[in-house]
Amino acid sequence: AQKITQTQPGMFVQEKEAVTLDCTYDTSDQSYGLFWYKQPSSGEMIFLIYQGSYDEQNATEGRYSLNFQKARKSANLVISASQLGDSAMYFCAVEDSSYKLIFGSGTRLLVRP
Amino acid sequence: DGGITQSPKYLFRKEGQNVTLSCEQNLNHDAMYWYRQDPGQGLRLIYYSQIVNDFQKGDIAEGYSVSREKKESFPLTVTSAQKNPTAFYLCASSSVGGADTQYFGPGTRLTVL
Repeated sequence: AQKITQTQPGMFVQEKEAVTLDCTYDTSDQSYGLFWYKQPSSGEMIFLIYQGSYDEQNATEGRYSLNFQKARKSANLVISASQLGDSAMYFCAVEDSSYKLIFGSGTRLLVRP
Repeated sequence: DGGITQSPKYLFRKEGQNVTLSCEQNLNHDAMYWYRQDPGQGLRLIYYSQIVNDFQKGDIAEGYSVSREKKESFPLTVTSAQKNPTAFYLCASSSVGGADTQYFGPGTRLTVL
């Protein structure tokens, strides 16, 4: 069964600095997808970035990039130039062979002014 | 504007009553999903449907029921058999196939008194 581990329950970062949120996964599938979502206090889940297991390049979307290390089963999210609006919960998820998402327990990020 | 709507945003019910949560999408997505989120935790899959008139149980389906009579709609009923129904419920949709991002609605917060 797939499993996602996010070992950082909470993180602080100074505004304008970069921050890395850790995510490791466990899957027996050869082909899979990795996703990061942001959940602000309003509760909705906002899609940030996707990485396919066969993608050789790390995914990037604006200030978000995914540091994908397949051999280590690691898919860390890097947020550059943090903004106050980045304060939220962040969830890593792996898509299984039935296209279902398995979520980690999340990391709460607080951006300090 | 295309998107996913969930209603109501907040719902209060007495113990022992069934309650139905609405989820509608106009993204022309084939697949729809229901997740449950408890405080401080990630999302867990309740039910999903990849095509009209068909749905499958997720990891925590006991005490819940769904229907998928229309492509746009995927209502979730929380029955009296669900032992601890107080939670945040999120609906999502996606195209069917690999690497298709799930997009989420704003969620319904259910409190059973």
